[in-house]
Amino acid sequence: AQTVTQSQPEMSVQEAETVTLSCTYDTSESDYYLFWYKQPPSRQMILVIRQEAYKQQNATENRFSVNFQKAAKSFSLKISDSQLGDAAMYFCASTGGATNKLIFGTGTLLAVQP
Amino acid sequence: EAGVTQFPSHSVIEKGQTVTLRCDPISGHDNLYWYRRVMGKEIKFLLHFVKESKQDESGMPNNRFLAERTGGTYSTLKVQPAELEDSGVYFCASSQLGQGRTDTQYFGPGTRLTVL
Repeated sequence: AQTVTQSQPEMSVQEAETVTLSCTYDTSESDYYLFWYKQPPSRQMILVIRQEAYKQQNATENRFSVNFQKAAKSFSLKISDSQLGDAAMYFCASTGGATNKLIFGTGTLLAVQP
Repeated sequence: EAGVTQFPSHSVIEKGQTVTLRCDPISGHDNLYWYRRVMGKEIKFLLHFVKESKQDESGMPNNRFLAERTGGTYSTLKVQPAELEDSGVYFCASSQLGQGRTDTQYFGPGTRLTVL
């Protein structure tokens, strides 16, 4: 069975500092996608960044970047210059199967300290 | 462009009652997914529609759950009769019909269901 593991239930970072959220996954698919979603308190879940497994280059979106290690099945998220608005629950997910359903980790709650 | 909407935002019902959750996907999105997050656990897939057809319902917990997608537009998820373990947040997501590639799923705000 495909699984996604987030080993950090909670993380904290100082404003303007950098933080890395960990994610590992296990899949038998040869072609798959990886995602980080963010869910701020009482708000909608939104996509932060996505990575196609066939691409070797790590995805980057402004202050957000990933470290994709395919052989190790690792997909960590780095947030640079953290801002108060980055405080949220972060979910790592991978696609699973022909229907592209998402397999999620349990989430990491990120607090940003002023 | 309107995002994915879900109704109601919260529902509190008693065990044995029936509840119907509704999801309106982004206009033009043929893929519609239902997920559920039980408190403290991971978000789990329930089922997937392509237009009005159920493509994958492998995540549906049991036959107390019934999902429909009338005319390929909005979808409903009915729980009848509800049990305590059905409590959680039910998310809906939609995406465009890709051509062999995965399109990003856009999520609704979720419906928080509490069964007492």
